[in-house]
Amino acid sequence: GAGVSQSPSNKVTEKGKDVELRCDPISGHTALYWYRQSLGQGLEFLIYFQGNSAPDKSGLPSDRFSAERTGGSVSTLTIQRTQQEDSAVYLCASSLGRYYTQKDEQYFGPGTRLTVT
Amino acid sequence: AQKVTQAQTEISVVEKEDVTLDCVYETRDTTYYLFWYKQPPSGELVFLIRRNSFDEQNEISGRYSWNFQKSTSSFNFTITASQVVDSAVYFCALAYNQGGKLIFGQGTELSVKP
Repeated sequence: GAGVSQSPSNKVTEKGKDVELRCDPISGHTALYWYRQSLGQGLEFLIYFQGNSAPDKSGLPSDRFSAERTGGSVSTLTIQRTQQEDSAVYLCASSLGRYYTQKDEQYFGPGTRLTVT
Repeated sequence: AQKVTQAQTEISVVEKEDVTLDCVYETRDTTYYLFWYKQPPSGELVFLIRRNSFDEQNEISGRYSWNFQKSTSSFNFTITASQVVDSAVYFCALAYNQGGKLIFGQGTELSVKP
């Protein structure tokens, strides 16, 4: 079946602009995660959704970052007033999310490469 | 603190050599899961294996094997008879709480030369 998809694959934006990144999880996966991968910080967790609610937002780096998920499916990560340090690859992952546990493996999308100039 | 350490930043081997990638983790939880992911040059993270904290049995899958030792908090990954296609960055990760967010190590870049 189809894997996790993300769009756009690349995004170049000017400092101060807002950007929206989209994630389509694997069908039937109730858990959805956003991570960020950058040279200096490695792979960092941003936010976790179970269904449409986000029980763990602990990784969002500032209030410029927000995310939502609708219909238990598609998720959008929004970065307002982008800064150069936001430049990174933003990865989305989904899992079965059974019983709200940590046991299920996460399947990752190809990522969105964000460059802030 | 919950932490994963992959001390080897880069490893270079010649094809057909065996190679072991080290992973050491820290957690206060008694229930946790450990994972290995592969990130080839194309960039997409590929799931390789999951182990839970109650099962220390080693696992073998083809040329891949994993050694989980709670006594040393390690979850090492061995590739036997390495191939050029094994060249990638390999990440070890820990999931320890409800929801399962992954704590990743810094990754080990493996280069297999022909």
